[in-house]
Amino acid sequence: GQQLNQSPQSMFIQEGEDVSMNCTSSSIFNTWLWYKQDPGEGPVLLIALYKAGELTSNGRLTAQFGITRKDSFLNISASIPSDVGIYFCAGQVFNGTSGTYKYIFGTGTRLKVLA
Amino acid sequence: DARVTQTPRHKVTEMGQEVTMRCQPILGHNTVFWYRQTMMQGLELLAYFRNRAPLDDSGMPKDRFSAEMPDATLATLKIQPSEPRDSAVYFCASGPTPTNQPQHFGDGTRLSIL
Repeated sequence: GQQLNQSPQSMFIQEGEDVSMNCTSSSIFNTWLWYKQDPGEGPVLLIALYKAGELTSNGRLTAQFGITRKDSFLNISASIPSDVGIYFCAGQVFNGTSGTYKYIFGTGTRLKVLA
Repeated sequence: DARVTQTPRHKVTEMGQEVTMRCQPILGHNTVFWYRQTMMQGLELLAYFRNRAPLDDSGMPKDRFSAEMPDATLATLKIQPSEPRDSAVYFCASGPTPTNQPQHFGDGTRLSIL
């Protein structure tokens, strides 16, 4: 089945540093989503990408839809302590039988920011 | 902001007991998803519905799990009988039409089966 490889699995960074993480797959996706999950809460949508090559920002976050449609990247600039959490990518797949869409999630990148 | 509401937030019960988890999707969202999150497997899609009709439940163990949408404001996920390996956080998410739009998650039900 389709899988998303997300890296790194975890990272410690100093406050103020920039952060990069990515998702790759052997399959093509039509949409990429990036979520953040805080402890004890559900994932919260950060950025949605709908077109190959698209670059979208949300505050200090910037995400890109890879040109091959098999990967996506998320960058966080000037990290702050509240950026701590788990970041998930998700790729959209189309079910031709039911005519519906669903998302496959990456395994997550656990980010820890040192003040 | 509109939110997906899940109840209960926490559930501890003994193996063999029936467990029912409930989800109220965001008003107007007609697609509902159930996920299970564990450390080992990450976020797994169990089932999803559109306009209350089940579309895909291939990720769900059929012998003990069942998912329904009695009405547009309520989705349920039941486990009967429950087993220790069912311990996980169960998330509900809802999305608008068209269904390729992003889904929004509830805060989950943390289930522990002793």
